[in-house]
Amino acid sequence: DGGITQSPKYLFRKEGQNVTLSCEQNLNHDAMYWYRQDPGQGLRLIYYSQIVNDFQKGDIAEGYSVSREKKESFPLTVTSAQKNPTAFYLCASSTNGAATGNTIYFGEGSWLTVV
Amino acid sequence: AQTVTQSQPEMSVQEAETVTLSCTYDTSESDYYLFWYKQPPSRQMILVIRQEAYKQQNATENRFSVNFQKAAKSFSLKISDSQLGDAAMYFCAYRPSNNNAGNMLTFGGGTRLMVKP
Repeated sequence: DGGITQSPKYLFRKEGQNVTLSCEQNLNHDAMYWYRQDPGQGLRLIYYSQIVNDFQKGDIAEGYSVSREKKESFPLTVTSAQKNPTAFYLCASSTNGAATGNTIYFGEGSWLTVV
Repeated sequence: AQTVTQSQPEMSVQEAETVTLSCTYDTSESDYYLFWYKQPPSRQMILVIRQEAYKQQNATENRFSVNFQKAAKSFSLKISDSQLGDAAMYFCAYRPSNNNAGNMLTFGGGTRLMVKP
C-alpha cells in the first residue's frame, strides 16, 4: 500500500541525547515536511524539503536537523540543543510544482518523550 | 506572514444534527488554498475537504461542506447529520499558491468537536 511510514511510534530520550525519527514515503512525492504538535495545539513546521539534497528551515528549526539523501526518506534528528523536545511529531509529503494546491498527506506520527 | 485563527476551542453537537466550525485567516495573497483536516484520537491527520481560492463555488464532500467568504477571509466547515465518528480535533489550514513559499501549510489552533449520542 502507498503511504507514509513513521518510526518509531513511541520514543524515549534521555537528557543530552540525540534521537532520530524516521520517515519513509512510497508515494513518489518530491516534497516532504516535519511538523511538531504540542498537546492541545496546532501543528508547527520544523523543516521541509522540496527536492533531494535540499531542505529549508521552518518556523521552529532550532535544535533539529534533517537530511534528504533519497527521495523516499526524510529523517529528523532531535538534538540535545532542543530544550523541550517532548511532543508529537508528524511527517508529511506532497507533490511539487507550480500548482501548489497539491494536498499534503501525513504519516501516523511519533511520540517523543524526554525522561 | 499568514495566520489562521480558529476561535472555537471546543464545540458540541447532538448526533444527527448539524454543526459549523469557524476559521478565519489573514493573507495578502489573492490566490491560495484552504483545507480542513480531521485528527481523531489516533492522531493521524486526515484531509476532510479543500477549497481553491479562485473558485467561487463552495467545496462539498458528502456530509462536509464549506462556506468560503473570500472578502471576509472566512472559511467555515459545516458537518451535516453528525455521527459519533466525527468526534475529533479539526484543523483549518492555509497554503499559498506561490511555490516560493515552499508549499507549506499554516495551521489554526484547532477545534475539538464532541458528538453527543
